[in-house]
Amino acid sequence: DAGVIQSPRHEVTEMGQEVTLRCKPISGHDYLFWYRQTMMRGLELLIYFNNNVPIDDSGMPEDRFSAKMPNASFSTLKIQPSEPRDSAVYFCASGQGEETQYFGPGTRLLVL
Amino acid sequence: DQQVKQNSPSLSVQEGRISILNCDYTNSMFDYFLWYKKYPAEGPTFLISISSIKDKNEDGRFTVFLNKSAKHLSLHIVPSQPGDSAVYFCAAGMTTDSWGKLQFGAGTQVVVTP
Repeated sequence: DAGVIQSPRHEVTEMGQEVTLRCKPISGHDYLFWYRQTMMRGLELLIYFNNNVPIDDSGMPEDRFSAKMPNASFSTLKIQPSEPRDSAVYFCASGQGEETQYFGPGTRLLVL
Repeated sequence: DQQVKQNSPSLSVQEGRISILNCDYTNSMFDYFLWYKKYPAEGPTFLISISSIKDKNEDGRFTVFLNKSAKHLSLHIVPSQPGDSAVYFCAAGMTTDSWGKLQFGAGTQVVVTP
């Protein structure tokens, strides 16, 4: 299996622009997680899905952030409008049942 | 509020010696703990885990110890190898909470020198 796939790997955008991050989980995994890593806050869970349904979005920082999972093989994390403080590395991870989570390589986002 | 803390941001150890990474937590409801390893430009990868019903779990060169009364866990790597140079994250979760809702520490950068 190719593992968790994230795109783009790097994104540079200007403040106010919309940013869409994409994730393809490992086939057969029924959990999908979005994390954000920053120097200040470390690695924090933003939202996660089970069988394409959002289970817990308490980590989503504000209404500018939204996530969707239209099917078992695709999820998006959208930031609209983006702000410089959103600059971070965003990880997607997937898991099956109650097994460990497998992380993607991350998307490094820079908002100018 | 950080409920999982790794107070040592970095650790340097000689090849062949033991690496000891520490992690403290504040929430007594956490009942499973994991260690992840992360190389630059890659996502974290699972290393080893432990349930609160155990005080030790071993997997090859990696051993995790859990001291529930002290709310402390540690990861021992013996012997340390150059390929172990990475950032190590401690994570904690509650089986009574939503599965997979992990809280991570800030990470410890390990450098193994020849």
